[in-house]
Amino acid sequence: DGGITQSPKYLFRKEGQNVTLSCEQNLNHDAMYWYRQDPGQGLRLIYYSQIVNDFQKGDIAEGYSVSREKKESFPLTVTSAQKNPTAFYLCASSYGGLNNQPQHFGDGTRLSIL
Amino acid sequence: GESVGLHLPTLSVQEGDNSIINCAYSNSASDYFIWYKQESGKGPQFIIDIRSNMDKRQGQRVTVLLNKTVKHLSLQIAATQPGDSAVYFCAENVGAGGTSYGKLTFGQGTILTVHP
Repeated sequence: DGGITQSPKYLFRKEGQNVTLSCEQNLNHDAMYWYRQDPGQGLRLIYYSQIVNDFQKGDIAEGYSVSREKKESFPLTVTSAQKNPTAFYLCASSYGGLNNQPQHFGDGTRLSIL
Repeated sequence: GESVGLHLPTLSVQEGDNSIINCAYSNSASDYFIWYKQESGKGPQFIIDIRSNMDKRQGQRVTVLLNKTVKHLSLQIAATQPGDSAVYFCAENVGAGGTSYGKLTFGQGTILTVHP
């Protein structure tokens, strides 16, 4: 089935450690996105990519980094500079271009601090 | 800054009733809106979308209404079922004119609880 796969489902980070969250899609979507969701809140955009080898900062990019070397993959690294990384991280993808299209989401990675 | 918000954080209904979830938006330039359903521990699931050149759009058991005059969006769920219990988010595209490439701003969410 086509979809978006995020892994791992749960992840723990030690102090001073960088961790990388995986996001893979087989929907042939051009655009991919990373969001952060805190308890009882909506989603906030971290980074997004409209095309391979290109990405832009979202509203809360500090302490995070991304890469887009392949159309299917958009990994997110939570660096040690992110002082409050505990959250639910959601990856999404959509068709790009000028016509607005809905974003489709994976089932998230829950990151906690040890 | 401008943002999307919801009037009611929680909504409880009886099974079989119709549910209405409301959303206010403040950016008059927004031209695309989406409703998502999120169950516990899962990612948001697309329900229905609407573009600003429409006032109403219907799906299976759901209807979205857009009132641009008062910048209000609503999601109507007919014959609500226990499986509809979830958090519902509205989202708007804040980059009107096709320049946003799908950037969305999400509301806080409404918790819908359906009692059998």
